[in-house]
Amino acid sequence: DAGVIQSPRHEVTEMGQEVTLRCKPISGHNSLFWYRQTMMRGLELLIYFNNNVPIDDSGMPEDRFSAKMPNASFSTLKIQPSEPRDSAVYFCASSLVESYEQFFGPGTRLTVL
Amino acid sequence: KQEVTQIPAALSVPEGENLVLNCSFTDSAIYNLQWFRQDPGKGLTSLLLIQSSQREQTSGRLNASLDKSSGRSTLYIAASQPGDSATYLCAVNTGNQFYFGTGTSLTVIP
Repeated sequence: DAGVIQSPRHEVTEMGQEVTLRCKPISGHNSLFWYRQTMMRGLELLIYFNNNVPIDDSGMPEDRFSAKMPNASFSTLKIQPSEPRDSAVYFCASSLVESYEQFFGPGTRLTVL
Repeated sequence: KQEVTQIPAALSVPEGENLVLNCSFTDSAIYNLQWFRQDPGKGLTSLLLIQSSQREQTSGRLNASLDKSSGRSTLYIAASQPGDSATYLCAVNTGNQFYFGTGTSLTVIP
């Protein structure tokens, strides 16, 4: 059974460019989470969805960040425009809303030059 | 706001030793607590999930306990192996918020 799938695995871009990260949750899961991990700040929850509806986006750092979940099997995290301080590993995780036992994807390593 | 602390930040033990990793949280009103391991450059792997009504969970050589009243959880690893070397993180779920500790980096020396 496939786990959480994220793409791309690595992204290198220049400051000011738009970046789109993609996530496919585990089939049947109805909660989806976006996290950012850096050495300085550790793992931070950016936003999470229940049944495709955003529940808490208080962790989204700025208006430059946006996330969507158009259906139960796909979500995107977009950064526009990107800045060097956005460089981090971005993780997507999914769970059943009944338990919130989270399963993580392999992450996308983003480097903004 | 919930604060989650993991001490020590790093731990080194000889192979075969039993060990305990600690996770402390400031607000006892939690929904559940989850332990993960993270290998370098990889995602997080779920180890154990303890619901707020439970005292402990076991999986193989791993045993996690939860004491909500004291704001503590421990992860016990029996007969440690070099393959257990990784960073271990705990995450507290308050029902609508999720808080991660900064992790304990474990090295098991052959």
